[in-house]
Amino acid sequence: GNSVTQMEGPVTLSEEAFLTINCTYTATGYPSLFWYVQYPGEGLQLLLKATKADDKGSNKGFEATYRKETTSFHLEKGSVQVSDSAVYFCAPDGGSYIPTFGRGTSLIVHP
Amino acid sequence: EPEVTQTPSHQVTQMGQEVILRCVPISNHLYFYWYRQILGQKVEFLVSFYNNEISEKSEIFDDQFSVERPDGSNFTLKIRSTKLEDSAMYFCASSEFGQVYEQYFGPGTRLTVT
Repeated sequence: GNSVTQMEGPVTLSEEAFLTINCTYTATGYPSLFWYVQYPGEGLQLLLKATKADDKGSNKGFEATYRKETTSFHLEKGSVQVSDSAVYFCAPDGGSYIPTFGRGTSLIVHP
Repeated sequence: EPEVTQTPSHQVTQMGQEVILRCVPISNHLYFYWYRQILGQKVEFLVSFYNNEISEKSEIFDDQFSVERPDGSNFTLKIRSTKLEDSAMYFCASSEFGQVYEQYFGPGTRLTVT
């Protein structure tokens, strides 16, 4: 089955810093790729998605590009805010659009 | 904005007891899911449900588990004879017909088996 590897957290940044959270996956074929975010005390939310190679998903200033050659889907944001503090999950589609989640990466942004 | 709700937020039970975790999906959604996350580990898919029957289930979802949509609003996960290793956060999710890739998650129920 599909699997995902995310960088270990927590990632700690100052406000307005540049964010990269690395994600690589193993999969059969070319699955859709998702990033989910979980804010404190809330459920997971779909942040962005890409459904085919070279697609760029974007939302709320976050971006990720589907890189087939490197089987990666790194999450980036140019200038993080304190409100971006959350746990971020990279997830390839495990089939029938059911995400295959990893452990998530905790992001802590300081003022 | 509509949201998925789950009750209770925290459930403590003794080993061997049965528990029922409850979820109210978003009202016009037709697909329903349960996931779990053992502390410090990844979020794992348990089961998906559509049209009053299980669509898919993982290896984790064995005979100990069952799901039900007892009425038009609730979606439940029953765990019979709980074990210590069932302690986890359980998430319910739902999605709309035609938008199945966008699942809306509830805040979770933390189950502690003692």
